[in-house]
Amino acid sequence: AQRVTQPEKLLSVFKGAPVELKCNYSYSGSPELFWYVQYSRQRLQLLLRHISRESIKGFTADLNKGETSFHLKKPFAQEEDSAMYYCALRVTGNQFYFGTGTSLTVIP
Amino acid sequence: DTGVSQDPRHKITKRGQNVTFRCDPISEHNRLYWYRQTLGQGPEFLTYFQNEAQLEKSRLLSDRFSAERPKGSFSTLEIQRTEQGDSAMYLCASSNRQDTIRLEKLFFGSGTQLSVL
Repeated sequence: AQRVTQPEKLLSVFKGAPVELKCNYSYSGSPELFWYVQYSRQRLQLLLRHISRESIKGFTADLNKGETSFHLKKPFAQEEDSAMYYCALRVTGNQFYFGTGTSLTVIP
Repeated sequence: DTGVSQDPRHKITKRGQNVTFRCDPISEHNRLYWYRQTLGQGPEFLTYFQNEAQLEKSRLLSDRFSAERPKGSFSTLEIQRTEQGDSAMYLCASSNRQDTIRLEKLFFGSGTQLSVL
């Protein structure tokens, strides 16, 4: 069965420190992975997807098939990065499976 | 606001009552999804439409739940004989079919918060 695991419910870092939000997945097919973010009082929105190999707001994520991971990283955290982050796995047939989310707090 | 619109924002109902939610996707988006989210959990897939066709439905979805998208535009999600366990945030998302399906991006609404007393 497909599954997305985000082991940290809460994560706090100081401004300027590196941040890494962990995501592991379980899927027998070819995975498509995404990070979605929800800022305070805003809607859930796409942050980045592995297929695009993009850097958005300084965040990057690399798909590691050997470790079945898709960790989200940023070298220098900013206060505006404080938000809820969800890792999502898309499987064939168009279903998206979301993790339980990590609440990131960047301390000024 | 030309984003995904959901109505109502909040719904309080008594156990056993029926409720209906509405979702208006971004115009010209041909795909529409319903998700449910409870406290401390991520969004859980309920069902998915491409145009007016309901293509997938979660096996976890009780037969008390039904969704429609009659003209391929707005969608409704109805819950019959509500139970306290149905209390959750119900999210709608829409997307546009891309030539490269991997570029598909979900646009979420603000959700409908259902409380069943």
